[in-house]
Amino acid sequence: AQSVTQLDSHVSVSEGTPVLLRCNYSSSYSPSLFWYVQHPNKGLQLLLKYTSAATLVKGINGFEAEFKKSETSFHLTKPSAHMSDAAEYFCVVTYMDSNYQLIWGAGTKLIIKP
Amino acid sequence: DAGVIQSPRHEVTEMGQEVTLRCKPISGHNSLFWYRQTMMRGLELLIYFNNNVPIDDSGMPEDRFSAKMPNASFSTLKIQPSEPRDSAVYFCASSGGRQPQHFGDGTRLSIL
Repeated sequence: AQSVTQLDSHVSVSEGTPVLLRCNYSSSYSPSLFWYVQHPNKGLQLLLKYTSAATLVKGINGFEAEFKKSETSFHLTKPSAHMSDAAEYFCVVTYMDSNYQLIWGAGTKLIIKP
Repeated sequence: DAGVIQSPRHEVTEMGQEVTLRCKPISGHNSLFWYRQTMMRGLELLIYFNNNVPIDDSGMPEDRFSAKMPNASFSTLKIQPSEPRDSAVYFCASSGGRQPQHFGDGTRLSIL
């Protein structure tokens, strides 16, 4: 069965320092992977997606993620954190040919210290 | 471009009342999803429509919940009668083909 694991429930970084949010997936098929962000009292916004093209994916707001098949990882990074990045981040995996069977990670809350 | 539009944004009502949540998907998207989010359970898929037809409603908690999609631009999620444990944020999302789902801002529902 497919699953996705976000290794940290909370990550705290200082403003201006790098961000790393970790995600590992298990899959028997070629996965599609996404990162979504949810700001307080807001819906979920797509940050970036990987669908078997380039392994390094660039998203909005300076975020990027690298698909590493050998490590079954899809970690989210940003070189320099801003206060506005404080939110909850969800890693999501889906079957190649299934649009709706999204497997959601439990989420990582990103805290930015001034 | 207009995103997924949900209404109302907030709803407070007494238990036993009927609640109707509304969703307008992005034009051209043929798949629509209803989710519920709570602190305890996280994000749960309730029901999924494709081309206005319900495909999977296994996530609908019980018979008090029903969802309809009468046309490609409108869907409703109804709870009758409502109970305090239904309090949550309800999200609608839509997608087209293999594209990622786009979410509305949600309806924050409080049942007193």
